[in-house]
Amino acid sequence: GQQLNQSPQSMFIQEGEDVSMNCTSSSIFNTWLWYKQDPGEGPVLLIALYKAGELTSNGRLTAQFGITRKDSFLNISASIPSDVGIYFCAGQTLLRGAQKLVFGQGTRLTINP
Amino acid sequence: GAGVSQSPSNKVTEKGKDVELRCDPISGHTALYWYRQSLGQGLEFLIYFQGNSAPDKSGLPSDRFSAERTGGSVSTLTIQRTQQEDSAVYLCASSPGSRGDTQYFGPGTRLTVL
Repeated sequence: GQQLNQSPQSMFIQEGEDVSMNCTSSSIFNTWLWYKQDPGEGPVLLIALYKAGELTSNGRLTAQFGITRKDSFLNISASIPSDVGIYFCAGQTLLRGAQKLVFGQGTRLTINP
Repeated sequence: GAGVSQSPSNKVTEKGKDVELRCDPISGHTALYWYRQSLGQGLEFLIYFQGNSAPDKSGLPSDRFSAERTGGSVSTLTIQRTQQEDSAVYLCASSPGSRGDTQYFGPGTRLTVL
């Protein structure tokens, strides 16, 4: 089925560094979403992007919806220990009345204090 | 409750046994989704409910998988004759409606098939 290509798969950084990850797809999506998943928990929505070219910030997080509607990136500035986790991108389309989400494989972020 | 809840949190079963996984969505949410997350992978869509009906069952991997929802609330995902490849975390999400609403995820059920 559909899948998003998310990179990098993992990142090992020092506290205070900036982080960048991205997703690409061969399909067009109406909405791009970025989620964070902590161990033993379900994903939590961080940022939602609704328009091509849109750049949205949420605190230290910044995400952009690509002009082609086939890609998105997420940046985290000045990383802190609680940023550790797995970050997923998701593309959303409406299909047969359902809000279908297609997820990337995830980026595992590890921070060295 | 305040969020989506799922039970059990962990389930270990023997190959060939049937299992039932439960999801309690956020009160008032009409849309409910089931996903499967295999180790180190993203989430894979399984099935979607709007109210008690399932307009989209396209993600169910085989006829061993079924789901139902009663009273527009609780949903049960049933896996019959479990196989080792069914081992994964099964996540449930709910949203207020079906069109363009944010999905809120539960903590998942970790299923291990021995």
